[in-house]
This record gives sequence, structure tokens and C-alpha cells, in this order.
Amino acid sequence: EPEVTQTPSHQVTQMGQEVILRCVPISNHLYFYWYRQILGQKVEFLVSFYNNEISEKSEIFDDQFSVERPDGSNFTLKIRSTKLEDSAMYFCASHREVDQPQHFGDGTRLSIL
Amino acid sequence: AQSVTQLGSHVSVSEGALVLLRCNYSSSVPPYLFWYVQYPNQGLQLLLKYTTGATLVKGINGFEAEFKKSETSFHLTKPSAHMSDAAEYFCAVSDQVKNDMRFGAGTRLTVKP
Repeated sequence: EPEVTQTPSHQVTQMGQEVILRCVPISNHLYFYWYRQILGQKVEFLVSFYNNEISEKSEIFDDQFSVERPDGSNFTLKIRSTKLEDSAMYFCASHREVDQPQHFGDGTRLSIL
Repeated sequence: AQSVTQLGSHVSVSEGALVLLRCNYSSSVPPYLFWYVQYPNQGLQLLLKYTTGATLVKGINGFEAEFKKSETSFHLTKPSAHMSDAAEYFCAVSDQVKNDMRFGAGTRLTVKP
């Protein structure tokens, strides 16, 4: 069964540095998402992306965050200048239609030092 | 805005006992409702979903949930708990208008032998 894949599984970055988290959604999916989960807390919506543009974003997704689909397969989340509080698990998800469940990757654990 | 409330951050049952995990939602439009399960250090796996149609939905691993519009609830049940059911369970809501799925805080299910 096709899967959403995320790389790397663990990213360690110095505070203030830029980080790019990568995702390869399922190939025929059209809607793409990023979520984060701070350790021990709930999963929080960050952003949704459809037709090469952001369709929704949460209050968490400020100017430090950006997303891009640079080619037909990758979907990236960039954090421009990381802060300690950006340390979390970041999940990518995708689906083909909005009434279909989202398929999640296994996540990237981001640790900011 | 949509939101989800999961009553009980931690539920403990004995093996073979009924599992009941509670979820109430808030949505201004007809909701899409989901239950996801998360095992330690893994991503989110879909258990079941409700979009339209039959209000009692069956999912994987013997779980089911019933959409009750009058109670704005979508509680998850399983007649007989198994040790392998021990995990974190998340209820989530989205809709056909906005692509921003919102998760509840999660319920950690413990199964005692």
C-alpha cells in the first residue's frame, strides 16, 4: 500500500538556524498538510496546501514557516529561524479528496538546541 | 471554528472489557469525523471515519463509532479490549469547506491483564 514518507526521521538543529523537513505524499493525492505534535501534547494543524497554494493555515504558522511543492513529488516545510519551542514531532499528511481520510507519515522529530 | 473535546486523558480497562473513548465536536457545518490511533514513536493510523451516510461506522481492529448529531458526539467503542489496543487515540474533525483538521487532546488507553 502506498505510504507518505518523511525524511529525516530525526533532525537536530541549532537555535536560529533554518531547517527543511521533507515529505513525499502518496503520488495521486492532491491535498497536503503539515501538523506538529509537541511532546506529550495533541496534534496541531499547521497548514494545508492544494493546487500549489496554501488553502488554510493556523495561528501557529507564522512568517517563520513556509511550505513548497518544488516538483511533482516533494512537499517541504521550512522553518526560517528556529526557536527552542519549535522542538516537536512534525507530521506530513495527504489525501486525494477532502472527504477521504488523511494518510500520515511517520513524522520527523525536530530537536532545537 | 471547529474543535474537538476528548473526555478523559487516560482510560484504563481490563483485557476483555468494553472500551469507550469519548469525543464531542463543535462544527458550524456538517462535520467529517475521524478516529486515529498512535502507537509509541509512530505516526497516526486511521481507525475509522464518518463523512455521510450510516451513522454507525466500523473500523479496523474491531472498533466502531457512532455519529450522534443531537449530542455532537462521536464516541469510540470496542466490545472487548486486547492488550495490543494500548495506545493513544485521537478524535479529529474537519469538513468539506475548510481543509484544517483539528484534533482532540488525545486519550491514552491502558489495558490491564
